[in-house]
This record gives sequence, C-alpha cells and structure tokens, in this order.
Amino acid sequence: QVQLVQSGAEVKKPGSSVKVSCKASGDTFSSYSINWVRQAPGQGLEWMGRVIPILGVAKYAQKFQGRVTITADKSTITAYMELSSLRSEDTAVYYCARGMAGTGLFDSWGQGTLVTVSS
Amino acid sequence: QLVLTQSPSASASLGASVKLTCTLSSGHITYAIAWHQQQPERGPRYLMKFNSDGSHHKGDGIPDRFSGSSSGAERYLTISSLQSDDEADYYCQTWGTDTVVFGGGTKLTVL
Repeated sequence: QVQLVQSGAEVKKPGSSVKVSCKASGDTFSSYSINWVRQAPGQGLEWMGRVIPILGVAKYAQKFQGRVTITADKSTITAYMELSSLRSEDTAVYYCARGMAGTGLFDSWGQGTLVTVSS
Repeated sequence: QLVLTQSPSASASLGASVKLTCTLSSGHITYAIAWHQQQPERGPRYLMKFNSDGSHHKGDGIPDRFSGSSSGAERYLTISSLQSDDEADYYCQTWGTDTVVFGGGTKLTVL
C-alpha cells in the first residue's frame, strides 16, 4: 500500500511563503491524484486543490486561487504545495492525500505538516 | 451546490453499536462517498468508500466492525462492538467537478 511521507513542521512570518512536500513510497503516481487538505486548530477538513502527476494538471479550490501552487515531480514521486502571502489564519496542519483513480475519493493520507504563521 | 451534512456529535456505550449519518445535498443523492476516521491528535485515516448501489471498498486493515449502508441521500457508517479507540472524529467526503467536499465531521464519544 502506498505511504505518503510529508516534510517537517514550519514556522513562517506573515507575508512569506511555505512549500510542503509529500513523497509517495510503495507505489508510483500512476493515474492517481495528489490532493492537499488543511485543518486549522479545532476545525474540520478543508480541500485546497490537487494535481494529477502523470498529466501535470492542477486544480485549486476557489478560496485559494492565486495563492496556492500544487506541483508534482514524477521522477521522485513527490508532490508539493506552496502557499504564499501567509497570514495568521493559515496556521494549520496540512495533509496530502491520494485520490483514487477515476474518482476524487481519498484512500491514503500523509501524516500532516504543521505550519505556524507568526510574527 | 454540493454539500455533505453530518451531525456534530454522537455517543454510544462501550461494546454497543452506533450509526453515523452523512446526508448529500439535493441533486447529488447518487454520489459515492468515503468515510475517514481521525483519532485525537492524529491525521485522518481512510475507512471505506461507499457507492449508492451498495458496493464498497474498505481500506487495508479496517475491521469488519465498520460497515457502510445507504438510503436515498443518506450514507451511513455503522460501528459495532465499540471500543475505546473508536472515539474519534468521523468525516464523510465526496467530490464533484474540480472540487472535493467534506462534511463537518461527527465527534463520536464512547461512554
């Protein structure tokens, strides 16, 4: 079964950017999507966007359009999520999740990356 | 608009069964969903995918105590023989054209 391993916690200043990685092991990207979901403290899950690595095509939730960039490197089986113009409300745990081929349903999650935005 | 609605909380006794509900918005009642469990201080874990025709797929290692069913716009997750580590938040999830939607989650307390 695929395992998604994310990069470590980050502390960022307001206005800066953060880039989180998600490496897949035990599988190739095949025709799956890699999605990014965040969870603010005490809140529910919020989808940010996804990339289909074999196509290199990304889609973003309207809320994050213009601020988020999701990419994938097929050679290293790693996906990335970069969020810019950070503000305190972006403090959250960021998860990557694999979307099942042909659907948008997730069948595997990364362990999460805490991003703290603080001056 | 594609929306999933869940009750914020549920509770049941150790060893009992509980049925959690996820309701699809009007116009989307045939959509498949996935259920995810999030134990305290942990990341989400995929439990199962459930289609409106009753077909389903479980994640690796998910015990038979977890089962899914549906009726109309409602999708259910039943957990039988409740154990203490079933105490968690449970989220349903679906997808539409260029979007993914989560329900607000149900916090399950095992008494």
